[in-house]
Amino acid sequence: TQLLEQSPQFLSIQEGENLTVYCNSSSVFSSLQWYRQEPGEGPVLLVTVVTGGEVKKLKRLTFQFGDARKDSSLHITAAQPGDTGLYLCAGRYNQGGKLIFGQGTELSVKP
Amino acid sequence: GAVVSQHPSRVICKSGTSVKIECRSLDFQATTMFWYRQFPKKSLMLMATSNEGSKATYEQGVEKDKFLINHASLTLSTLTVTSAHPEDSSFYICSARDPGTSGSTDTQYFGPGTRLTVL
Repeated sequence: TQLLEQSPQFLSIQEGENLTVYCNSSSVFSSLQWYRQEPGEGPVLLVTVVTGGEVKKLKRLTFQFGDARKDSSLHITAAQPGDTGLYLCAGRYNQGGKLIFGQGTELSVKP
Repeated sequence: GAVVSQHPSRVICKSGTSVKIECRSLDFQATTMFWYRQFPKKSLMLMATSNEGSKATYEQGVEKDKFLINHASLTLSTLTVTSAHPEDSSFYICSARDPGTSGSTDTQYFGPGTRLTVL
């Protein structure tokens, strides 16, 4: 069974702090996506990574894909209350295959 | 990014009735769409994969006769919850795969979700 482990599952921090969310698998991904979801809405795509070692930045968010393409991380610098939400990593083990989701990270940033 | 719409956004129905949820890809053709179910503060659970012009593929444990899926065109897939019961109450989210251009990675975009409440 292919599993995608995401951690931590819950994170409550103060505004201005930094945080990192991790996504790990024992299998190699062909691609991996990060989504952010707010209550009552669908997930919104943040980034797609496909190349081992790839780093992508989206304002204060930095996404990294592991060299072996088995893990990924999302780092948020100077978190703001507007970053509050559910962050989901989702990977595909082969092109055209099913998207496998991690358990999600519920982030709460307090002012 | 690509847009996927879902209708209705909320629906309340009586136990025993059927409810249809529509999912549309607005600016790309989606040969493959997906239906997910999500419980509060939990990740998405894939229910079925909907392929245009063919039968849907259901995940283990999902009743195909209860959750009817039709993908009649490249931009529309529907999920019908038949004989709904209170335990079917959930947040249902559709997703459409944008195959992208030749050589690029396909990307999956999600609809805004439908909150179903069965009384």
